[in-house]
Amino acid sequence: NAGVTQTPKFQVLKTGQSMTLQCAQDMNHEYMSWYRQDPGMGLRLIHYSVGAGITDQGEVPNGYNVSRSTTEDFPLRLLSAAPSQTSVYFCASSPRALETQYFGPGTRLLVL
Amino acid sequence: RKEVEQDPGPFNVPEGATVAFNCTYSNSASQSFFWYRQDCRKEPKLLMSVYSSGNEDGRFTAQLNRASQYISLLIRDSKLSDSATYLCVVNTGGNYQLIWGAGTKLIIKP
Repeated sequence: NAGVTQTPKFQVLKTGQSMTLQCAQDMNHEYMSWYRQDPGMGLRLIHYSVGAGITDQGEVPNGYNVSRSTTEDFPLRLLSAAPSQTSVYFCASSPRALETQYFGPGTRLLVL
Repeated sequence: RKEVEQDPGPFNVPEGATVAFNCTYSNSASQSFFWYRQDCRKEPKLLMSVYSSGNEDGRFTAQLNRASQYISLLIRDSKLSDSATYLCVVNTGGNYQLIWGAGTKLIIKP
């Protein structure tokens, strides 16, 4: 099992550009989520999904969209990148909500 | 007041020593608790869940104090490989969300 995979590992964007961060898991987990991690702060939930076709907003959803068309994939779209979105982004999955989270290796994003 | 608070450290501890740190939470209705470990520039990984009766896994012991609303992590006979940031996570029971502390950085020195 590959677990949770994320691409790309690193990305530099210019303000206003859009992009999609990819996340996939091969553990048949129902629950998937996206977090951002900034220095001195805990992981903050951006969006989450409790199953294919179901998504909801987390603590900091503005500027991001998600979709969950399959159990395996949960891409995160940045609509119009802003410097405030410079961060490390982690995708995570778990069998069900609030259980042990398994994380991908992260995407380091720099927005200029 | 933050929902989950941790001393950011760093805790500088000699190899072989015992170290403990706490995590306080504000919501008395919080239902479950976890400690995750995060190595530098890596993803978080579950260290242990925290049960109401306490939980021990080798050199690591986690305890819950509901009256004072904190959880603790004790590491005995610390190893160089224990150097990491330890993240406290609390399930407050609402909206499928876990609340993460900012982490406590631990540095074990030879």
